[in-house]
Amino acid sequence: KNEVEQSPQNLTAQEGEFITINCSYSVGISALHWLQQHPGGGIVSLFMLSSGKKKHGRLIATINIQEKHSSLHITASHPRDSAVYICAVYMEYGNKLVFGAGTILRVKS
Amino acid sequence: KAGVTQTPRYLIKTRGQQVTLSCSPISGHRSVSWYQQTPGQGLQFLFEYFSETQRNKGNFPGRFSGRQFSNSRSEMNVSTLELGDSALYLCASSLHFNTDTQYFGPGTRLTVL
Repeated sequence: KNEVEQSPQNLTAQEGEFITINCSYSVGISALHWLQQHPGGGIVSLFMLSSGKKKHGRLIATINIQEKHSSLHITASHPRDSAVYICAVYMEYGNKLVFGAGTILRVKS
Repeated sequence: KAGVTQTPRYLIKTRGQQVTLSCSPISGHRSVSWYQQTPGQGLQFLFEYFSETQRNKGNFPGRFSGRQFSNSRSEMNVSTLELGDSALYLCASSLHFNTDTQYFGPGTRLTVL
């Protein structure tokens, strides 16, 4: 079993829809990152969370440390949101970042 | 502020050769991490350097090595290249690894023939 599991693997949405991507992990962590990767490879860090909730524009990230679960929400989705979204956890022991497999999001206009 | 830069952007090598990739972090950032991305394995952690010291290493063979200089620039080296080393190699910099946002470079696309 992977230490970081994301769901869904693929997601197609219509423009304007509310989108949720989930991330579950099985290890103790000190931080969780949500990353966005567009075709061509460039990765942008969206959020770094260790507790609670963060919001940036139309993006909201939440984390529940007790349940070992995080969600990334996109409100009023737009075709430019089409990308791969990757969850990564910084392990409490071992000082390394472990990545989920990513969620491929396609937003159709 | 200039972003993270990586050179070269593209590289083609043959099996058995060695390669050195370079990463220049954002000014003031002291942590540099390296990652390998392949279609089969996704993103995997290679190693992290902070103030010229390797803090941690991922599960890669000893053919993969790195170093960090006093100006925080980092290099990674892969010796005796294998076909499976073909990948996108990304570096990321941050002020402090586990408390700050990571800023990724554009990556070096390595193809091993």
